[in-house]
Amino acid sequence: LAKTTQPISMDSYEGQEVNITCSHNNIATNDYITWYQQFPSQGPRFIIQGYKTKVTNEVASLFIPADRKSSTLSLPRVSLSDTAVYYCLVGDRQTGANNLFFGTGTRLTVIP
Amino acid sequence: NAGVTQTPKFQVLKTGQSMTLQCAQDMNHEYMSWYRQDPGMGLRLIHYSVGAGITDQGEVPNGYNVSRSTTEDFPLRLLSAAPSQTSVYFCASSPIPLAGHHNEQFFGPGTRLTVL
Repeated sequence: LAKTTQPISMDSYEGQEVNITCSHNNIATNDYITWYQQFPSQGPRFIIQGYKTKVTNEVASLFIPADRKSSTLSLPRVSLSDTAVYYCLVGDRQTGANNLFFGTGTRLTVIP
Repeated sequence: NAGVTQTPKFQVLKTGQSMTLQCAQDMNHEYMSWYRQDPGMGLRLIHYSVGAGITDQGEVPNGYNVSRSTTEDFPLRLLSAAPSQTSVYFCASSPIPLAGHHNEQFFGPGTRLTVL
């Protein structure tokens, strides 16, 4: 399974745009890139998924370069409620499963 | 829809005791899984199931058993609790994706287990 590497922690002020980059050098051709968010004392929550170029939803944007060896989660104008751990994951190629392999994630702290 | 529900929310066990953590989902998802999360760490997969009657081991299966008799329920059994099993346990479910793809997993609220 492709391993991902992301910063352990980041701080940002309220209202700023936050970009969290994840590297996945061994990503396979048909693997998708997925990001989850986890608040304290809660289970992870799906944020966004993409395969290439750019994906945007109501919560975030995901930028994936042509070589797909990295990806960047972009959170526009963060608020205090965006303080959480963000996990970057690459799809499991095992047919029929949907297993997730989490690293330690990036702990984002939004400062007033 | 209630989504994914887990019971109990909190549990304290003594070393050697056994118990079952309950997980249920009402979304008719084929895939269900159990993760544990230790302080400051990401989640690690314990067991998973791709349908009723089918289970398989994840990354850290030792000390845990699972069964999947119905689509809705996926209980996790601790056979003989040990302090190393003190953790937060999350259950998740999703539809089964195509190879390489990932379908959004829906997580339960977690069970905080302490083994003394």
